[in-house]
Amino acid sequence: DAGVTQSPTHLIKTRGQQVTLRCSPKSGHDTVSWYQQALGQGPQFIFQYYEEEERQRGNFPDRFSGHQFPNYSSELNVNALLLGDSALYLCASSFTGSGWEQYFGPGTRLTVT
Amino acid sequence: QKEVEQNSGPLSVPEGAIASLNCTYSDRVSQSFFWYRQYSGKSPELIMSIYSNGDKEDGRFTAQLNKASQYVSLLIRDSQPSDSATYLCAVNNLGYNKLIFGAGTRLAVHP
Repeated sequence: DAGVTQSPTHLIKTRGQQVTLRCSPKSGHDTVSWYQQALGQGPQFIFQYYEEEERQRGNFPDRFSGHQFPNYSSELNVNALLLGDSALYLCASSFTGSGWEQYFGPGTRLTVT
Repeated sequence: QKEVEQNSGPLSVPEGAIASLNCTYSDRVSQSFFWYRQYSGKSPELIMSIYSNGDKEDGRFTAQLNKASQYVSLLIRDSQPSDSATYLCAVNNLGYNKLIFGAGTRLAVHP
């Protein structure tokens, strides 16, 4: 049973550029949530997608946007990158009605220079 | 006041001892509670979930929830060096889908 997968593993970008991160949920899961984790901090909720719509959003600017596809996979897009966007980006999948247990992928380490 | 608070540690325990990790939360309507383990450079791994007051045991792990005191804890019995990691407490409100995490407690189990 494949777990949550994310790509790429690592990414280096320059300030002002745009980036797209990808996530495939665990088999049987229909909900994808994205989190940002800065060094030494707990993950911070960015947004959640269910049935191809953004269901909930955290305190992140509009530069952060996402998408969910019919096969439940998801993308996170960040425009106009800032140095402060450097972090580990985590995707978590869950099944609606399962008690809200979320399972994380390996993450994408984004470095903005 | 932070929504979910944990002692950052490090919490140092000898091998074979019981490690006790604590977490408090501020929102009384919180309904679901989770403990994640995160090794350095890796992503969080779900190890326990608890939804009602009392204790829940799974192998060497016991989660304890006291909603009146807004307090969640994780006990690790017979601690092993492989348990050395950061333990993240997370809280969710049913119908409000995001997980709110504490900053984590670093646990070091020494031989």
